Parts: sequence; C-alpha cells; structure tokens
Amino acid sequence: NAGVTQTPKFQVLKTGQSMTLQCAQDMNHEYMSWYRQDPGMGLRLIHYSVGAGITDQGEVPNGYNVSRSTTEDFPLRLLSAAPSQTSVYFCASTSGVMNTEAFFGQGTRLTVV
Amino acid sequence: AQSVSQHNHHVILSEAASLELGCNYSYGGTVNLFWYVQYPGQHLQLLLKYFSGDPLVKGIKGFEAEFIKSKFSFNLRKPSVQWSDTAEYFCAMGNTGFQKLVFGTGTRLLVSP
Repeated sequence: NAGVTQTPKFQVLKTGQSMTLQCAQDMNHEYMSWYRQDPGMGLRLIHYSVGAGITDQGEVPNGYNVSRSTTEDFPLRLLSAAPSQTSVYFCASTSGVMNTEAFFGQGTRLTVV
Repeated sequence: AQSVSQHNHHVILSEAASLELGCNYSYGGTVNLFWYVQYPGQHLQLLLKYFSGDPLVKGIKGFEAEFIKSKFSFNLRKPSVQWSDTAEYFCAMGNTGFQKLVFGTGTRLLVSP
C-alpha cells in the first residue's frame, strides 16, 4: 500500500529553471494539496484540488502552478525557480469523507541556487 | 482569519519526564484538530485527531490531547517521554469537509537519554 508518493526526494535547481514535482496517491482520495515547509513557519498551503479538473490557490501560490487531470496525480510546477522557493515540499491527500485526516508524502527537498 | 499558535518552539526534556505542548487556534466555527509528528528526515504522521465527542483524545505511542473549547486550545500531553519521541510536533486545524489544513509553526522536542 504505497499511499502518497512524491518524486524526486531531492532536487537542486538553478535560478530561472523550471521543474515539476510529482505526487501520486493510490487511495482514490478526492482531495489533494501541496504544502511547503520552512523553518519556523510550519507548513503553508500552496495549492489544492477537490477533484479531477478542479484546483484552487492556497496561502502561498505565487510562482507555482498545478493541474489535476486524474484523481491519482497532482503535479506541482515551478515555472521559473527562485531562491525563495528553497524549501521542503509535501503533498497530501484526503478522502473527502467527513472526519478523516490528511496523509502526507515523504517530501521533496528543493534547493534553488 | 484562521490561525494556529504553538508557543513552545523548542523543548528539551529528560527521559521519563512529562510533556505538555501548547496549541491554540483561532476560528469561529466548528473545527477539526490534529497533532502530527515529524521524525528527523521523515514525513508527517498523524498522532491523534479530534472531530467531535469526548474532548480527551488518545493517540498513538501514549500521546493524548484535550480539546478545551472555551480556551480554543488543544494541548498535547504524554506522561513519560522516551528518547524515541525526539521529533518535531505540529498542531493543525481543519474546517469540516475538505480538511484544508492550517498548521502551527511546530515544536522541536529533544529528549535526552
């Protein structure tokens, strides 16, 4: 039972490069979201999706793009990486059934130089 | 605006000491509350959750938390910590339904053997 799978685990980018962080879940969850974790700031919501074809912005969406073409996948795109996007990124999924918790992936540690 | 406050940023305890980590939230409606733990280099794992009913909830590994609505608090407790409890602990709040989570800034716990 894989749960939520994120790739890659580590990535170094140069300023201005673009890349996609992958997230897949095999639990048939409706809701998926991306968070970034920065020291002293906890986790902050970047973008989320309540179902295939539906996405919305979270607290810190600037510089990121998402799409949800299938229930299983929710990729996060960095369009033009900046050093301020150096962070640990977590993908999470929730079933959408009332009173259930979010399940998190292992995280992607991204460094932008 | 919804927010979660964790007032203890760093806590150092000796093994067998008792633990209480504070968490206060700000939200006028019905909330769901969570404590997640992140062991070094790992993803977030759910410790316990509160949705409704008995305000004293028990989680894994001997942790418990008490929801006090009048104080907007959801403090985490453990009567006797172990070295293996060394981790970062996050309190989080979600409103009903989607579980778009708002996290506190986290508390780093170091348990010395």
